[in-house]
Amino acid sequence: GAGVSQSPSNKVTEKGKDVELRCDPISGHTALYWYRQSLGQGLEFLIYFQGNSAPDKSGLPSDRFSAERTGGSVSTLTIQRTQQEDSAVYLCASSHNDRVGTEAFFGQGTRLTVV
Amino acid sequence: AQSVAQPEDQVNVAEGNPLTVKCTYSVSGNPYLFWYVQYPNRGLQFLLKYITGDNLVKGSYGFEAEFNKSQTSFHLKKPSALVSDSALYFCAVRDRRLSGGYNKLIFGAGTRLAVHP
Repeated sequence: GAGVSQSPSNKVTEKGKDVELRCDPISGHTALYWYRQSLGQGLEFLIYFQGNSAPDKSGLPSDRFSAERTGGSVSTLTIQRTQQEDSAVYLCASSHNDRVGTEAFFGQGTRLTVV
Repeated sequence: AQSVAQPEDQVNVAEGNPLTVKCTYSVSGNPYLFWYVQYPNRGLQFLLKYITGDNLVKGSYGFEAEFNKSQTSFHLKKPSALVSDSALYFCAVRDRRLSGGYNKLIFGAGTRLAVHP
C-alpha cells in the first residue's frame, strides 16, 4: 500500500484478555517501530525492528508485551492479559533503514481500550 | 545514549506573531533530526529534517528549523503563526552508531502549540 496501515483502528477488550495489533509497513521499508501514546501525551518507544530482528526492545513495559516481524514486512504487537493501564494509542512507523536520515512514516494507530 | 528534550509543555502565541518551539538533543554520533506535527485525532505528520549541510532547514506549512551543533539544539520556527498551526509538535533524533548501523528513532515529550486569534 501507499502508507503504513494498522489494524484494527479501534479495539475494546476486557481486562485479562490477549490482543494482537497489526502493522503493515510501506513496501521496502526495512526499519519498523512501535510506539505507545497515552491520551494527549508523548510517544513512548516500545520496540524497533531492522528486518526481522529487533536490536532494541528496551521499551517493552513488561513480559506481557511481545512483538514479531515476519518476511521483513508485517509486524504484530501482542499484549497478553491486558490491564487497564495498557489503554493507549499504539502507533507503528516504518522507514528505509539504509538511507541516511530518512524520515519515518506513521500509521493512524490502533486505539486500545481495556475495560 | 540518545535523548531529546522539549523543555516547554505548551507554547502560546498570538496569530501573526513569530513562533519558536524548542528542542535539544544528545547523541553519541552524528544526529539526524526531525520535526513532526500531530493534529487532534490524527497521526503524526513529518514536517522537516536535518541531515547535513545548511543549518537552516525549511519544511512544510512555512515551518523551518535551525540546527545548532554547539548548543545541540534544533528549534522549530515560523515567522507568522496561524490559528491552524495549533497542534502537538514532536522533535525526534536518530544517530548513526560508530560501529555502523543506526540507533532507534526517539521522540521528545511533545510541545502543545496554541495560536490565539
